[in-house]
Amino acid sequence: QQPVQSPQAVILREGEDAVINCSSSKALYSVHWYRQKHGEAPVFLMILLKGGEQKGHDKISASFNEKKQQSSLYLTASQLSYSGTYFCGTIRLNTGNQFYFGTGTSLTVIP
Amino acid sequence: EAQVTQNPRYLITVTGKKLTVTCSQNMNHEYMSWYRQDPGLGLRQIYYSMNVEVTDKGDVPEGYKVSRKEKRNFPLILESPSPNQTSLYFCASSLTGGAGYGYTFGSGTRLTVV
Repeated sequence: QQPVQSPQAVILREGEDAVINCSSSKALYSVHWYRQKHGEAPVFLMILLKGGEQKGHDKISASFNEKKQQSSLYLTASQLSYSGTYFCGTIRLNTGNQFYFGTGTSLTVIP
Repeated sequence: EAQVTQNPRYLITVTGKKLTVTCSQNMNHEYMSWYRQDPGLGLRQIYYSMNVEVTDKGDVPEGYKVSRKEKRNFPLILESPSPNQTSLYFCASSLTGGAGYGYTFGSGTRLTVV
């Protein structure tokens, strides 16, 4: 079963912040985050391997709460280039190397 | 340039006519995988391969075959395509199995089965 993301869609004005959540009903081993622009392939953003780990890249960061089986992606001071669909992805414990993508969150940044 | 190359980009075929979508990576990655992307269903894993001659089913393997005879290539075979296999397909690779490294995706293949 896919991880569930919320919200499904969000519209922001340039400069505003957003949080995208990813929740799993199964225990997680790691969490990936990807961004996909319309008509293009997904692009890897970051990976979190350990519970409690937080990472950041420019103004995009993420956290991973292993106990709650959740991860969140934080976009601060959003730019037009942040528009796209964001997917979390995960390997669940005890399922070998089968990889599951989340349901996706469509993010639109407007001027 | 490090990349995953998929061919063709677009394909229209008829029901039952066997087809192969090729995938090749030049990064010496061990892990390769195929996904299909459908509106409302997101990205679903079809098959994956941990290394040469090692393949495993993903979430939606029915109607598909794969092989991994060489490390760089991981073709997706549809022996008898049906209209419900109309979809956008992505090949992806990673240095090792998905735990520690992100995936690099190919540009995608849009398949239409009529």
